[in-house]
Amino acid sequence: AAGVIQSPRHLIKEKRETATLKCYPIPRHDTVYWYQQGPGQDPQFLISFYEKMQSDKGSIPDRFSAQQFSDYHSELNMSSLELGDSALYFCASSLGGQLEKLFFGSGTQLSVL
Amino acid sequence: EDQVTQSPEALRLQEGESSSLNCSYTVSGLRGLFWYRQDPGKGPEFLFTLYSAGEEKEKERLKATLTKKESFLHITAPKPEDSATYLCAVQAFGGATNKLIFGTGTLLAVQP
Repeated sequence: AAGVIQSPRHLIKEKRETATLKCYPIPRHDTVYWYQQGPGQDPQFLISFYEKMQSDKGSIPDRFSAQQFSDYHSELNMSSLELGDSALYFCASSLGGQLEKLFFGSGTQLSVL
Repeated sequence: EDQVTQSPEALRLQEGESSSLNCSYTVSGLRGLFWYRQDPGKGPEFLFTLYSAGEEKEKERLKATLTKKESFLHITAPKPEDSATYLCAVQAFGGATNKLIFGTGTLLAVQP
């Protein structure tokens, strides 16, 4: 069965650079969520989209922006990267915003040097 | 402030040695409590959702229970392949309802 696909799998950037993370939800899923997980920490909710509109916002820095496109894939854009942005970024998807059936991707490991 | 605390942080068991993981939560109103399994370098994998005190759910060697303040994940006769980090998360009423609040997890190691 198709799962949530994230790209790239690994990304290395320098401070003050920009990065774009992509997420392709499970087919027919209309809701996408972004989470950030620092080393040894719990996943922190960043932002979610339902039917291409932002549905909820968490602890997402102003330097980050995200959107969901007409094909339901989502991109997380990160600018002016800082060392503290190094983390595993997970995307998850569900149908109709149902958290009971939330499926996570394998994440993008971002390292900021 | 909504909060989730898991204990212990790490647990080492011998194969076949049953135990329980704890998840304590403080939320304004509980909409749902979720258990996930996370393997290194991978995304969390859904295990259970519990909605009300007294509810129980089972899957193979795992059983999740819920009270008004905490949840337990019981592992019966674990096998080495059960080794992983187990995450607990809650969804609260009000605020950002599309958001899960995670605990920091319990790292379980099952030795053969």
